[in-house]
Amino acid sequence: DAGITQSPRHKVTETGTPVTLRCHQTENHRYMYWYRQDPGHGLRLIHYSYGVKDTDKGEVSDGYSVSRSKTEDFLLTLESATSSQTSVYFCAISESRTGSRNQPQHFGDGTRLSIL
Amino acid sequence: TQLLEQSPQFLSIQEGENLTVYCNSSSVFSSLQWYRQEPGEGPVLLVTVVTGGEVKKLKRLTFQFGDARKDSSLHITAAQPGDTGLYLCAGGDSGYALNFGKGTSLLVTP
Repeated sequence: DAGITQSPRHKVTETGTPVTLRCHQTENHRYMYWYRQDPGHGLRLIHYSYGVKDTDKGEVSDGYSVSRSKTEDFLLTLESATSSQTSVYFCAISESRTGSRNQPQHFGDGTRLSIL
Repeated sequence: TQLLEQSPQFLSIQEGENLTVYCNSSSVFSSLQWYRQEPGEGPVLLVTVVTGGEVKKLKRLTFQFGDARKDSSLHITAAQPGDTGLYLCAGGDSGYALNFGKGTSLLVTP
């Protein structure tokens, strides 16, 4: 199994509070991704990173920011959490191969976030 | 965003039956991947197909990529309770990210 650790695994917080989720990998993979998974919507990409300090927005990036200061860590921050951000959040990683994009992704076990 | 439509959305069958799930798009993909997700866990890669018309087998699972690289199917022979889970297809385009379908939720009862 790919070495991906998400923390925390569960969190309950209140509307308006800041929340940071952490993804840590031990595989030295270049690409890291944050998704949210909701019933009826499937997996939707929030942000992704293609290297240290290199990030880009995904399909549902509003209300989220990310940072990647080290290869192994990718942080997702909700600056002011809202109830619509209640979801299960998954981190994924993929390796880089010259001339080949869309490499298979390996997922963490998710963080279940509830915002009351 | 290139959309991937998966069908059926839900499938409940008995052990020993065969089934096929589909993944369709109007867009061409450079590659297509199938994942299985169990409750409380992240998706796990089953297979990647890259060539139009390609067929891959993984024990009782057969994956096919359409000739035009716009669609794919997953066929399971003699389903077992251990096959229960959410099956997701994901397509790659020219970027770094994957586009995921909403999944087919499969329940296999003994």
